[in-house]
Amino acid sequence: QKEVEQNSGPLSVPEGAIASLNCTYSDRGSQSFFWYRQYSGKSPELIMSIYSNGDKEDGRFTAQLNKASQYVSLLIRDSQPSDSATYLCAVNQKQGAQKLVFGQGTRLTINP
Amino acid sequence: NAGVTQTPKFQVLKTGQSMTLQCAQDMNHNSMYWYRQDPGMGLRLIYYSASEGTTDKGEVPNGYNVSRLNKREFSLRLESAAPSQTSVYFCASSLSTGAGELFFGEGSRLTVL
Repeated sequence: QKEVEQNSGPLSVPEGAIASLNCTYSDRGSQSFFWYRQYSGKSPELIMSIYSNGDKEDGRFTAQLNKASQYVSLLIRDSQPSDSATYLCAVNQKQGAQKLVFGQGTRLTINP
Repeated sequence: NAGVTQTPKFQVLKTGQSMTLQCAQDMNHNSMYWYRQDPGMGLRLIYYSASEGTTDKGEVPNGYNVSRLNKREFSLRLESAAPSQTSVYFCASSLSTGAGELFFGEGSRLTVL
């Protein structure tokens, strides 16, 4: 089992719809969770962080965390073509020295 | 406002050649990282340095060495390049290893023939 797992996609969503990206993780002791966005040919950039169970909203983005199910998701409302990118889930593991472990990323395409 | 700067941006090597990727950050961050990114594999941690003077192996350290030259600089060396090391390499930094916000350099695309 991969430590952080995402559906690699591609995920295709019509413009204006809600895009839902999912991520599961194996380290039950993990405390902090992040979503990075990476445009093609560019470096990743942080868009959301979440530390406690529930929802966290920032503009059109909502991160959801369920530690009991070891599941974190990212919802993008009113999807725009500019949201087309690869979204990387990252988990700060507590086993051993803390370090960020990334999932393989989900490629999202928003269709006009 | 440079952030994280890595060089070179592109490099082609022959099998067995050596090279060093350079990385520098100007944000006074304590922790620095080297990741590689391959299609369908996401970002995999090669080595990291939690603070100046320390380095630790990540998920895929074989074939690489690192040096934390000072607080600003963290280099990655390939002693004898292999085709399996063809990848895009990203350097990143953060305030600490417990901080989840990593700031990435623009990446270095390495091809080993």
